Amino acid sequence: TQLLEQSPQFLSIQEGENLTVYCNSSSVFSSLQWYRQEPGEGPVLLVTVVTGGEVKKLKRLTFQFGDARKDSSLHITAAQPGDTGLYLCAGTSGGYQKVTFGIGTKLQVIP
Amino acid sequence: GAGVSQSPSNKVTEKGKDVELRCDPISGHTALYWYRQSLGQGLEFLIYFQGNSAPDKSGLPSDRFSAERTGGSVSTLTIQRTQQEDSAVYLCASSLVASGAAELFFGEGSRLTVL
Repeated sequence: TQLLEQSPQFLSIQEGENLTVYCNSSSVFSSLQWYRQEPGEGPVLLVTVVTGGEVKKLKRLTFQFGDARKDSSLHITAAQPGDTGLYLCAGTSGGYQKVTFGIGTKLQVIP
Repeated sequence: GAGVSQSPSNKVTEKGKDVELRCDPISGHTALYWYRQSLGQGLEFLIYFQGNSAPDKSGLPSDRFSAERTGGSVSTLTIQRTQQEDSAVYLCASSLVASGAAELFFGEGSRLTVL
């Protein structure tokens, strides 16, 4: 069983602060995605990383895929209340594209 | 359709009854996934379809759970003799199978409550 561990599981910060959430596994993934989920809705894809060491930026969000393709991080600069939500990492492996999700990081940004 | 559609959005049932949950994927998406999300938990993989076949059924919790997909499109997840521990949000997602990555597009989920 391939597991993705996320930390922290809960994070409450003030608007304007920076934060980093982590996604770790003992398994190698061919690609890794980050999703954000709001209450009552399905997760929405933020980014996909496929190359070890890859860094992608999406406005105030920076995503990094570890060199060994076993871990990833999401860094948010100057967090806004609109960033509040559940952040999920998901890894893809296997010939049939099985996608495994982490338990998620619940972020609350306080105005 | 424009997105993944799931029905019903909410279902309340009594213990022991059967339920069917439906998923209409994005047109043209060949891959379809079912996940279960319990309160405060991440997404638990249930089953994956490539076309009408299911290469991986390993996540189905018990033989009370089954799923089928017809015409490479609509999928139905059936839970027989529901139990209280089946209460959860059942999420469906579809994707275009691309090499190196599977980007999933989710529906809003079907919330199942078993009394």
